[in-house]
Amino acid sequence: EPEVTQTPSHQVTQMGQEVILRCVPISNHLYFYWYRQILGQKVEFLVSFYNNEISEKSEIFDDQFSVERPDGSNFTLKIRSTKLEDSAMYFCASMAGGTKNTEAFFGQGTRLTVV
Amino acid sequence: AQSVSQHNHHVILSEAASLELGCNYSYGGTVNLFWYVQYPGQHLQLLLKYFSGDPLVKGIKGFEAEFIKSKFSFNLRKPSVQWSDTAEYFCAVIFSGGYQKVTFGTGTKLQVIP
Repeated sequence: EPEVTQTPSHQVTQMGQEVILRCVPISNHLYFYWYRQILGQKVEFLVSFYNNEISEKSEIFDDQFSVERPDGSNFTLKIRSTKLEDSAMYFCASMAGGTKNTEAFFGQGTRLTVV
Repeated sequence: AQSVSQHNHHVILSEAASLELGCNYSYGGTVNLFWYVQYPGQHLQLLLKYFSGDPLVKGIKGFEAEFIKSKFSFNLRKPSVQWSDTAEYFCAVIFSGGYQKVTFGTGTKLQVIP
């Protein structure tokens, strides 16, 4: 069964460093997402991406964050200058879209620890 | 605004007790409904989903959920919980119209005591 894959599974970085989280969505999907879950808290929407541009973003997704689909397969989340409060699990998701019976498929997450 | 709410934040049950976790959403249009489970330190796993048709849906691990349109609810149930059901449970909704995305509830932590 096709799945969304995320790398790395764990990333430790120093405060102020840039990190890039990578995701390979399911190949024929059109919609891509990043979500964040701070330890012990809810799953929060960060950004959605469709047709090579951001379609929606939350208040969390400030200028520190950017997304890209550089080569038609990878979907990346970049955090320019990490802060301690960016420590969280980051989930990528993709959705086929175009039909009312649609669901998102989630990756296994990248645990980001900022020290 | 479209939102999803889970009123039970922390539920403690003994093994073999019955479980019902509440989920409500606010939106008058068509919705796709989901329950996810997250075991400690793990990723999200889809328990069950509802798109249309029979409002009672069965999922994995003996879970089921009932969509009640008039109450905007999608409650999760299990007749007899096990210690291994200890986890966090998230209700999630895709609202029709606009750009589709999954909106999660705040989650319910379930602790099952042996």
